[in-house]
Amino acid sequence: GAVVSQHPSWVICKSGTSVKIECRSLDFQATTMFWYRQFPKQSLMLMATSNEGSKATYEQGVEKDKFLINHASLTLSTLTVTSAHPEDSSFYICSARGTESITGELFFGEGSRLTVL
Amino acid sequence: GQNIDQPTEMTATEGAIVQINCTYQTSGFNGLFWYQQHAGEAPTFLSYNVLDGLEEKGRFSSFLSRSKGYSYLLLKELQMKDSASYLCAVRDTGGFKTIFGAGTRLFVKA
Repeated sequence: GAVVSQHPSWVICKSGTSVKIECRSLDFQATTMFWYRQFPKQSLMLMATSNEGSKATYEQGVEKDKFLINHASLTLSTLTVTSAHPEDSSFYICSARGTESITGELFFGEGSRLTVL
Repeated sequence: GQNIDQPTEMTATEGAIVQINCTYQTSGFNGLFWYQQHAGEAPTFLSYNVLDGLEEKGRFSSFLSRSKGYSYLLLKELQMKDSASYLCAVRDTGGFKTIFGAGTRLFVKA
């Protein structure tokens, strides 16, 4: 199946700093990737749809200037949390649709756990 | 609006059968997915339904009724390793955006 790799797995940063999370599709080209956020014991909340070569589409209530998404190539999308604050602490997961699959299910990266002190 | 409902928690015994229900109301529909998620890990794909009926895949089966906005995931011969959260998700038309329910935490006891 399709493999999606996410880095870093864990990151701890000080309040006010910026953190970049990378999401790579290792064995397929992903024109579209999705970024989710998950708080403890809650489900995945879609933050934005990342489109290769164009601007990301953000969900209602997600600040595009705070969560910068760049999808510069068919295998890499990045999420930058700018001026992070403790309330941004969460589990961030990227995913891409399996282009070779009939069902088109999502393949997820390992997730990045962000803790802002 | 988008709304996907599923029970918060369920408990079942090893070797038994459990059914996890999901109801949905979404603006568009292009398939329903079930994912399994162990604590601290990313979700993994279990099943997919786009037409009404039952899809069977080993110990897991999933059912869909589009007219009722209803699906269930059936797990047979439960094993301890099946203890996890099970996420019901609906894919929207156009753009392939997938919206997730809150998940059902399943506890399998000996």
